[in-house]
Amino acid sequence: GENVEQHPSTLSVQEGDSAVIKCTYSDSASNYFPWYKQELGKRPQLIIDIRSNVGEKKDQRIAVTLNKTAKHFSLHITETQPEDSAVYFCAASFNYGGSQGNLIFGKGTKLSVKP
Amino acid sequence: DGGITQSPKYLFRKEGQNVTLSCEQNLNHDAMYWYRQDPGQGLRLIYYSQIVNDFQKGDIAEGYSVSREKKESFPLTVTSAQKNPTAFYLCASRHRHGKETQYFGPGTRLLVL
Repeated sequence: GENVEQHPSTLSVQEGDSAVIKCTYSDSASNYFPWYKQELGKRPQLIIDIRSNVGEKKDQRIAVTLNKTAKHFSLHITETQPEDSAVYFCAASFNYGGSQGNLIFGKGTKLSVKP
Repeated sequence: DGGITQSPKYLFRKEGQNVTLSCEQNLNHDAMYWYRQDPGQGLRLIYYSQIVNDFQKGDIAEGYSVSREKKESFPLTVTSAQKNPTAFYLCASRHRHGKETQYFGPGTRLLVL
């Protein structure tokens, strides 16, 4: 079946450094790619998303890049801060059983930012 | 995503017991979803519903059941057939048309006694 691979599973950086999380997807029809941040015991919250007609999107310290040909997309966080510490999930849209708009998620990356 | 609520926050299940998790939204979203989250496993789709009175199985539907009698509500029942129910359960919703962004509820943690 379709899947999304996410790497690395854990990432530790010093405060102020950059962090990069990478995902690959298998369904060439996927056209929407959100990123969620989940703090311990809390709900996942959308931090940025990108559509397949755009190669890059930026929102302050967060950016996402998409390579449709290679079927991979990445999350970039610059000038990391301790409050960026959380688990980050990537996702890709796909049609499940003929229904559009479903998401398949990567397994998550636990980011730790050390002061 | 503040318009999606789940209850209870914690739920304890005894052997052989069915339990029901509540999910309500006031965002006028058409589609609703149930996910199960286990440590290191990401989010796995249990059931989803695109419209009232219709729902479809996801990847791990065995041992679960749902109903969608109202647009605002999508309860999940964990039946006794689900042998390993301990997990964090997340409900999500989105508009059926347009952007595919899903918004999540706060989750219910289910534990087995």
